[in-house]
Amino acid sequence: AQSVTQLGSHVSVSEGALVLLRCNYSSSVPPYLFWYVQYPNQGLQLLLKYTSAATLVKGINGFEAEFKKSETSFHLTKPSAHMSDAAEYFCAVSQIRGSQGNLIFGKGTKLSVKP
Amino acid sequence: GAGVSQSPSNKVTEKGKDVELRCDPISGHTALYWYRQSLGQGLEFLIYFQGNSAPDKSGLPSDRFSAERTGGSVSTLTIQRTQQEDSAVYLCASSVHIRGGELFFGEGSRLTVL
Repeated sequence: AQSVTQLGSHVSVSEGALVLLRCNYSSSVPPYLFWYVQYPNQGLQLLLKYTSAATLVKGINGFEAEFKKSETSFHLTKPSAHMSDAAEYFCAVSQIRGSQGNLIFGKGTKLSVKP
Repeated sequence: GAGVSQSPSNKVTEKGKDVELRCDPISGHTALYWYRQSLGQGLEFLIYFQGNSAPDKSGLPSDRFSAERTGGSVSTLTIQRTQQEDSAVYLCASSVHIRGGELFFGEGSRLTVL
C-alpha cells in the first residue's frame, strides 16, 4: 500500500531564507509523486510532479523537488522564501501504478514566512 | 465550465439530517475524485469515478456515505444521518483520465454538523 509522511506540520522561515519541506513515501510500485499547494479558502493547486523521468523536478513559483529512491524521499525546496509562499503544502503519491490521479496525500505542512 | 465547481460552498446542518454535495467537473474530464479534509488530518481519499463507474468504494468512511455520477459528468456525494464527526471540507477533483493528467481541484464544500 502507498503512504506519505510529511515531517513537521508547521514550518516557519524568514523572507529570503531557504524553504525545505520534507516528504517520505512508501510505495509497493514505482511511485508517481506530487506536491500540491493550498492557499487559504482555496482548492489545491499542483506545484510539481515526478513521473519517473528526471529525478530533479522543477515546478511553479521557483519550487523544486528531488526524488531519492534510496531515501524514499521527495523533499520540496525553494532557495529564497517570499511572503506569498505562505500556504499549506501537501505531498502525495499515486495509488495506481502509472496514474496521476487517485492520490494518497500526507497530512500537510503549513508554511509561515516572517518578514 | 472553466474549472471544477462545487456546491454548496458552505452547509450547516443539524445532526441526523441528510446532505448532498455536488461536484461539476471540468468538461471532458472522465475521472472524478472526492476527498475529505479535516482539521489536522490532511486529505482523506473517499472515492473515485472513471466515467460513471466507481471501482473502489472502500474509502468511504461508513455506509452513511454514498456517491454517484451520472452522464459521465456531475457527481453527488450524499451523507445520510449526519454526525458531528462528518464536519469537514469535502473536495472534488477531476482529471482527463484516471491514468493521465493533472488533478484539478474545486474550492470545496465546507460542512458543519451541529
